[in-house]
Amino acid sequence: SQQGEEDPQALSIQEGENATMNCSYKTSINNLQWYRQNSGRGLVHLILIRSNEREKHSGRLRVTLDTSKKSSSLLITASRAADTASYFCATDAKTQSNYQLIWGAGTKLIIKP
Amino acid sequence: DAGITQSPRHKVTETGTPVTLRCHQTENHRYMYWYRQDPGHGLRLIHYSYGVKDTDKGEVSDGYSVSRSKTEDFLLTLESATSSQTSVYFCAISLLAGENTGELFFGEGSRLTVL
Repeated sequence: SQQGEEDPQALSIQEGENATMNCSYKTSINNLQWYRQNSGRGLVHLILIRSNEREKHSGRLRVTLDTSKKSSSLLITASRAADTASYFCATDAKTQSNYQLIWGAGTKLIIKP
Repeated sequence: DAGITQSPRHKVTETGTPVTLRCHQTENHRYMYWYRQDPGHGLRLIHYSYGVKDTDKGEVSDGYSVSRSKTEDFLLTLESATSSQTSVYFCAISLLAGENTGELFFGEGSRLTVL
């Protein structure tokens, strides 16, 4: 099952522009996380936002969370070529016996120089 | 970078052969995970471990087994590899789990091709 779904699937913008990616999920959550994956590499944690938070910043990253709409957005401001990567959201979901992170399929971001 | 090492990083094998992937961590994190990543899918959890000799199944565990005899090592075994198991496998670790699952740290991945 896919709890988190990113939108768009792919995004190509010019260097210096802002990039916005969205994540929608289906069930109530405790936390939502965003990760980056460079081509051929492992995932790297970017930011975690808790269900009682609405916005969080980290450097050029801004994450918002709207629990009423079950959605989150990741904004990267003043994009750089090094931001070219795939971005994934992950939400916790209660399974029969535990909580597990459920991942979206990702947004592939290309920053054109 | 978190100290997570996956081996082998690349492997090509034939259908029906056994394969073992190894994940080694130097962070002393309690929780370890094996995921597979396929195009068009998010990461899918295969198995996870919450301590030595304590493991549990994830979403896509059929055809896979795991073992954790030491805190630092988590092995993923395909007893008889099939072409549908061609994928990139990622090991991850975390300090917390359950309702307070926080940041996961990932290895660099193991690309497995089953011919």
